[in-house]
Amino acid sequence: AQSVTQLGSHVSVSEGALVLLRCNYSSSVPPYLFWYVQYPNQGLQLLLKYTSAATLVKGINGFEAEFKKSETSFHLTKPSAHMSDAAEYFCAVSNAGGSYIPTFGRGTSLIVHP
Amino acid sequence: NAGVTQTPKFQVLKTGQSMTLQCAQDMNHNSMYWYRQDPGMGLRLIYYSASEGTTDKGEVPNGYNVSRLNKREFSLRLESAAPSQTSVYFCASSEVSGLSNQPQHFGDGTRLSIL
Repeated sequence: AQSVTQLGSHVSVSEGALVLLRCNYSSSVPPYLFWYVQYPNQGLQLLLKYTSAATLVKGINGFEAEFKKSETSFHLTKPSAHMSDAAEYFCAVSNAGGSYIPTFGRGTSLIVHP
Repeated sequence: NAGVTQTPKFQVLKTGQSMTLQCAQDMNHNSMYWYRQDPGMGLRLIYYSASEGTTDKGEVPNGYNVSRLNKREFSLRLESAAPSQTSVYFCASSEVSGLSNQPQHFGDGTRLSIL
């Protein structure tokens, strides 16, 4: 079984501030982890993915995430928020040993204030 | 490069009407999925197709049927629409192998309202 918990349905930051979106997972086998972004009235787009090659993963638009096995976490960060980062962010987990079908978190809405 | 194309983008139905949502991908992916997205619920899997000729139920299949018409196309049918099926529906596709798990590619969604 696998599951994902995203802490905080809404996160509010000022433009230029650090962005931290939290994701904790549960998986009985080594996981694959993904972060997706959804802009209004659009589908989900991949930001980055972890597939065991490196624990620090860099994605598009300046985002990165660090896989921490001991904490079962895969938090998403960006050093400096931009207004264009305002969107819904989803963490997802899957694995090759069990179900390859990803399980999604409930999403975190990032609000960026000028 | 279209990716995943969903039609229609918007639809309003009356309770009891039927409708088919269409999805096509041009990336030669084996696996295709249908999700619904409701506020605060994230994405919930309705049905998926691991490969052409196979379909399986996901988390919330009741009230829906699917058809994997060919490798490119995967349709979702509501036989008798209910207000509880008001949602945004997303189709996705991915390539899955035994060694790696590629991300999903999503369409832009179909916004369905049932009165």
